[in-house]
Order: sequence, then C-alpha cells, then structure tokens
Amino acid sequence: SQQGEEDPQALSIQEGENATMNCSYKTSINNLQWYRQNSGRGLVHLILIRSNEREKHSGRLRVTLDTSKKSSSLLITASRAADTASYFCATGGGSEKLVFGKGTKLTVNP
Amino acid sequence: DTGVSQNPRHKITKRGQNVTFRCDPISEHNRLYWYRQTLGQGPEFLTYFQNEAQLEKSRLLSDRFSAERPKGSFSTLEIQRTEQGDSAMYLCASSLAREYYEQYFGPGTRLTVT
Repeated sequence: SQQGEEDPQALSIQEGENATMNCSYKTSINNLQWYRQNSGRGLVHLILIRSNEREKHSGRLRVTLDTSKKSSSLLITASRAADTASYFCATGGGSEKLVFGKGTKLTVNP
Repeated sequence: DTGVSQNPRHKITKRGQNVTFRCDPISEHNRLYWYRQTLGQGPEFLTYFQNEAQLEKSRLLSDRFSAERPKGSFSTLEIQRTEQGDSAMYLCASSLAREYYEQYFGPGTRLTVT
C-alpha cells in the first residue's frame, strides 16, 4: 500500500510560474525523497531531506518537511516546459525500501 | 552509459506463460530493488537485495514471483503462470548501502499479459 498522498493530483501552469506540490504521509520516517518521472521513462531522484531537516534547496527546487504534520512540499521556481512530468514523494523508514505516493502530474505550458 | 539497465524494455506474453526480466545495477551499488508500477500509481516495492541476499519481500510478491541476484551483480525477476493482473511496468533500482541513500532507477520493463 502507498504511504504518501500527493496534492494536487494534477497541476497546470505557465512557463515561468512557480509550482508547489504537497505530500502527506502516515508513519514515522527516516527521510523523504522526491522523484520525477517523464512520460514513458524511469524515475529520477531530485532531492532527499532527512527527518531532522526542515528545508533543503537544490537549484530551482525547494523542499520543506514538517514531521509534526507528516507533510512535505516541493516548490519548483521559474518553471520550464521541460519540467513537465509526474512528481512523486517517497518515504524511507526503518526498512530500506521506499514507499511512494501516487504522484502529481505537472504540465508546464510554453 | 553506467546507469541501471533493464531488459527487455517491453514484453508481451499470453496468460499462463512464464517471463523473466533482467536488471543490471550500477556496478558499485550493493543494494538492488524491484518495484512494480501500474498506470496512474506510484511504484510499489516488491523486493530488495543487499549483495546476493534477498532481505525483504513484499506481500505483493506472490509465490508466482521469484527474484534472484546470484553473484551480487545483476538480478532476475521471474513471473510464472502470468495473469492479466501482472500487466505493469517493472522497475529496478540500485543504491549504495548507507543510512541516507537515493535510488537510481532503470527505464523499466513494460509487461503486457494478453
């Protein structure tokens, strides 16, 4: 079963706008990761945030983590058409496996 | 290219047939994972290996599914007596064995059971 729930399920924005996606999860975690999946391709790791971190940046990406609310957000700034993809949060707990959410489908219109 | 590779990329089979998929991880990675992804869903964990030892299996992995990693390098996933419900994308990933790790995914094998 899937632990994470991304919100919204789908998001459509114009190039240059910011995109924010949220993820909620159910159990305690060791870390939370965000992945991107382009149509018909494998997943690409974007960023990992540890359970004792609150915010992390990587290029145009900003991730926050609130363990008290069991939620995370991914912000993509100044979006580009190439950012069009599905974005998944995945939680790592005591086991080595990752538990993925259902994803947010982002469309960036040129 | 030194990424994770999977073969075949696509497989169409008739119900009841056996299929086998192969995954070649990044060479220095000692952890290897198998996930299954259906349309509109995120990947679901099936099993993982550390070196040649299979350390965890999901309840999704029925007795028709078997995975091996005989020498701690490549891995195979076999599905026996395939059913239409097995139709999915099968993803392989690898990682280093450390506390905080990202997983590197292959392109996947898309299985269609007719």
